[in-house]
Amino acid sequence: NAGVTQTPKFRILKIGQSMTLQCAQDMNHNYMYWYRQDPGMGLKLIYYSVGAGITDKGEVPNGYNVSRSTTEDFPLRLELAAPSQTSVYFCASSYGGDPTGELFFGEGSRLTVL
Amino acid sequence: LAKTTQPISMDSYEGQEVNITCSHNNIATNDYITWYQQFPSQGPRFIIQGYKTKVTNEVASLFIPADRKSSTLSLPRGSLSDTAVYYCLVGGWVNTGGFKTIFGAGTRLFVKA
Repeated sequence: NAGVTQTPKFRILKIGQSMTLQCAQDMNHNYMYWYRQDPGMGLKLIYYSVGAGITDKGEVPNGYNVSRSTTEDFPLRLELAAPSQTSVYFCASSYGGDPTGELFFGEGSRLTVL
Repeated sequence: LAKTTQPISMDSYEGQEVNITCSHNNIATNDYITWYQQFPSQGPRFIIQGYKTKVTNEVASLFIPADRKSSTLSLPRGSLSDTAVYYCLVGGWVNTGGFKTIFGAGTRLFVKA
């Protein structure tokens, strides 16, 4: 099992550009999440999904969009990138109906917006 | 809204017990307390979770007092490989729908030889 796989690992964007961060998991987990981690801060929840076709906003959803067409994939879309979106993004998944149980994280995608 | 507060950093020595405390004064009835470990350039990794009293697994113990306003992660015998950042997470379902996960800012633990 690869677990949670994120691509790309690093990316530099110009202000106003758009991009998609990819996330895939092979553990057949129902729940998937996107977090961002700013320096010296804890992780903040951007969006989450409880299953294919179902997504919901987390704590900091503005400037992002998600979709969940399959159980395995949960891409995060950044539209009109801004310097405030410079961060490390983590995708995570968990099994079953308890999102506060064990989360399995990917290795992160470091995004810089200049 | 629940907020978690942790010490920014702490040092310990190999073989010594390590205790990291997290304050979460506004914890809700539905909230669980979870601790994660993170190494540089990696995602956080689950250590332990509890709701109240004491929980122990093969790597750590978690102590939660009766009022649940704080929790203490205990590593019984610190090793050099425990040098990492440790995050306290408070989270649970919200009565209005959905759920919340509130991470602390993390405690950077440095275990010395």
